Amino acid sequence: NAGVTQTPKFQVLKTGQSMTLQCAQDMNHNSMYWYRQDPGMGLRLIYYSASEGTTDKGEVPNGYNVSRLNKREFSLRLESAAPSQTSVYFCASSSPTGTGWPPLHFGNGTRLTVT
Amino acid sequence: GEDVEQSLFLSVREGDSSVINCTYTDSSSTYLYWYKQEPGAGLQLLTYIFSNMDMKQDQRLTVLLNKKDKHLSLRIADTQTGDSAIYFCAGESYGNKLVFGAGTILRVKS
Repeated sequence: NAGVTQTPKFQVLKTGQSMTLQCAQDMNHNSMYWYRQDPGMGLRLIYYSASEGTTDKGEVPNGYNVSRLNKREFSLRLESAAPSQTSVYFCASSSPTGTGWPPLHFGNGTRLTVT
Repeated sequence: GEDVEQSLFLSVREGDSSVINCTYTDSSSTYLYWYKQEPGAGLQLLTYIFSNMDMKQDQRLTVLLNKKDKHLSLRIADTQTGDSAIYFCAGESYGNKLVFGAGTILRVKS
């Protein structure tokens, strides 16, 4: 049981380049999330998908787009990378009850550097 | 919406107890959580407490919840070097989303 799998693990981009971060979960969870982690700021929600076919903005959506390809996969795209997007990106998933339980299951992260 | 704050750094000696504190603003969270992040890894759920409880004990971990002051704490007894990590508290927000604090870096000195 792999849980939440993110690819790639590391990436270096030049300003203006584009890339897609991939995420897949095998726990049959309905909800999926993308967070970014920056020192001293904790995790901030970029986008989330409550169920297949729906996506919504989180706290810091600017400069990102997402696609919920199917129930398993939720990708995050940077169309024109900027140095401010240098961060560690985490994908997470959870079951759909809306009660907050069970809690989020996280992938191991993608470390992105934009030069 | 929920706002969660916690101190950024804690240093303790091996064998001592560690206490990590957290304050939150939204009292409607059904659960409050503690996550642990080891270097180079994602976050893993460490423990949680239901909002109608004052205390929960799980082996070396004790979670205290003061609902009046909206204060949550995590106590780690007999802290070991393997406990060195970043600890995040989290509360619930609208739509089954979690709001995280900035994380407390715990450094354990041998």
